[in-house]
Amino acid sequence: AQKITQTQPGMFVQEKEAVTLDCTYDTSDQSYGLFWYKQPSSGEMIFLIYQGSYDEQNATEGRYSLNFQKARKSANLVISASQLGDSAMYFCAMKASKIIFGSGTRLSIRP
Amino acid sequence: KAGVTQTPRYLIKTRGQQVTLSCSPISGHRSVSWYQQTPGQGLQFLFEYFSETQRNKGNFPGRFSGRQFSNSRSEMNVSTLELGDSALYLCASSQRLNTGELFFGEGSRLTVL
Repeated sequence: AQKITQTQPGMFVQEKEAVTLDCTYDTSDQSYGLFWYKQPSSGEMIFLIYQGSYDEQNATEGRYSLNFQKARKSANLVISASQLGDSAMYFCAMKASKIIFGSGTRLSIRP
Repeated sequence: KAGVTQTPRYLIKTRGQQVTLSCSPISGHRSVSWYQQTPGQGLQFLFEYFSETQRNKGNFPGRFSGRQFSNSRSEMNVSTLELGDSALYLCASSQRLNTGELFFGEGSRLTVL
């Protein structure tokens, strides 16, 4: 069975600071993908970053990086130099046979 | 390039009624998937269509159904609505099947009274 866990329901971070959002997963599949999505208050889910289970290097996309530790089954999202516009819900997701999402972390950036 | 378009954005129904939601994917995207988002259950996968065929299905009762047309547009239908069906229904499109790189619409918010 597949499982995704996000243990931080909410976080407050000062603007310009870096922030790490935690995500752990469990699957018996050898091949899978890990994703992060951002959901602003408008409701639309925005794809941020992808990491394949066989990728040896951590994925990066601009200010976003994915800290992938396969042995620990963790896929934390790191946002560098946070901005006010980063305030949103963030979902970790895993795709093996089907895609499943974590419960999300609400990130609030303080000016 | 236009994004994923979902209609209607908001709707209110009563128990026992049925509802049809529509999703127009990004041009060139052939895969469309549907998700239900509720405060209690979070985001849950409903089904995925590719080339007019359902390729994958989540754990929802048969009251939830969908289809995809030859132009890749998709509809989902919920029959005999229950109060618990109140949710944000999100549609996503992608260029290929079995990818997590999804492009979502803004969703259809269904309220069942």
